[in-house]
Amino acid sequence: AQKITQTQPGMFVQEKEAVTLDCTYDTSDPSYGLFWYKQPSSGEMIFLIYQGSYDQQNATEGRYSLNFQKARKSANLVISASQLGDSAMYFCAMREGGGGTASKLTFGTGTRLQVTL
Amino acid sequence: ETGVTQSPTHLIKTRGQQVTLRCSSQSGHNTVSWYQQALGQGPQFIFQYYREEENGRGNFPPRFSGLQFPNYSSELNVNALELDDSALYLCASSLGVPSYEQFFGPGTRLTVL
Repeated sequence: AQKITQTQPGMFVQEKEAVTLDCTYDTSDPSYGLFWYKQPSSGEMIFLIYQGSYDQQNATEGRYSLNFQKARKSANLVISASQLGDSAMYFCAMREGGGGTASKLTFGTGTRLQVTL
Repeated sequence: ETGVTQSPTHLIKTRGQQVTLRCSSQSGHNTVSWYQQALGQGPQFIFQYYREEENGRGNFPPRFSGLQFPNYSSELNVNALELDDSALYLCASSLGVPSYEQFFGPGTRLTVL
């Protein structure tokens, strides 16, 4: 079974609008972390936001917020007030376990976001 | 920029050759992870080094090997290159294990002909 599922291969959003990128995950580990990364065409993975499995509040970082629904195992990324520079691939990733285990990230297949005028 | 650097930027090799990719971690970071990203896919974990010891490995054959130096920089070596090894290779540095943030370098794009 896929550990991270991103069902939207591509999304379009108009400048200044909000957009939600979907991510569902699968794990039996009670301790895990969820990440979103942005990958522009240059290739570098840019960290956007992190949500720990025990965090009570949804994470927010500027225009990025993570809609964490633990019972549904979903961790959707919301980008508010989209900008042209937000056009890129977006990856959801999960780290399972804690306390000395390898910080291996499992990534989804990504969503390509295109921001239009 | 994350402060993580990788070299070379691009590389072209032929089947059967060997390749070494290099990564300098962000200052103060003692953990380096390597990922392979095939075209159109998400990155896949190869292995991680923590304080010069391998600390976890993904589903990659032994011809993928690594090294971490006392200054925490790292190398990824791939022997007997295959066409499917063509990919973007990303390294990420972090502080300790587990870490809450991994800072990625710009990657090395390897093409195997």
